Amino acid sequence: DADVTQTPRNRITKTGKRIMLECSQTKGHDRMYWYRQDPGLGLRLIYYSFDVKDINKGEISDGYSVSRQAQAKFSLSLESAIPNQTALYFCATSDGGDAEKLFFGSGTQLSVL
Amino acid sequence: GQNIDQPTEMTATEGAIVQINCTYQTSGFNGLFWYQQHAGEAPTFLSYNVLDGLEEKGRFSSFLSRSKGYSYLLLKELQMKDSASYLCAAMDSNYQLIWGAGTKLIIKP
Repeated sequence: DADVTQTPRNRITKTGKRIMLECSQTKGHDRMYWYRQDPGLGLRLIYYSFDVKDINKGEISDGYSVSRQAQAKFSLSLESAIPNQTALYFCATSDGGDAEKLFFGSGTQLSVL
Repeated sequence: GQNIDQPTEMTATEGAIVQINCTYQTSGFNGLFWYQQHAGEAPTFLSYNVLDGLEEKGRFSSFLSRSKGYSYLLLKELQMKDSASYLCAAMDSNYQLIWGAGTKLIIKP
């Protein structure tokens, strides 16, 4: 079983719809992250959380919100989806050690029509 | 501003050696990471350098020069499975990762 699980793997939605992407992990890590990846661009950080009561905005948080329901669960919501939010979304975890090594989920390909 | 530069695409031959370069400009520096990403899959960690010099790990090695803002990933004895994108990321003074767009490596038989 995957250590970092994202659902769904693929999603097609329409402009204006609310959508939630979910992430769960069995690695026991406190730190969780949401990134988006667009062709020709580096990974961009949307939100991150260092523990259940800690939520921080990343580089591109506008139009997104998150919820850290438990140490193992971190969900990303798009309140009103727009076409330029079409991207590959990754959840990641880390143990906060010196190397801050990230463990990524398999990704969610989101298309907003 | 903060920036990472790496070539968009490189081609190499099976069995050969390839070097993927990365230059970075960040506000402060707390390490340089390389990740491998196969098409349609998640990035996976390859290496971390925070001190100058070469770190060797099997067929893969990573080099860092902090004074030059430069790193490279060296892949030896290339195999077809090494066809992937290689992502360079630098950690700034706030421990935030700045990511390059990735280098797509194509291996030919």
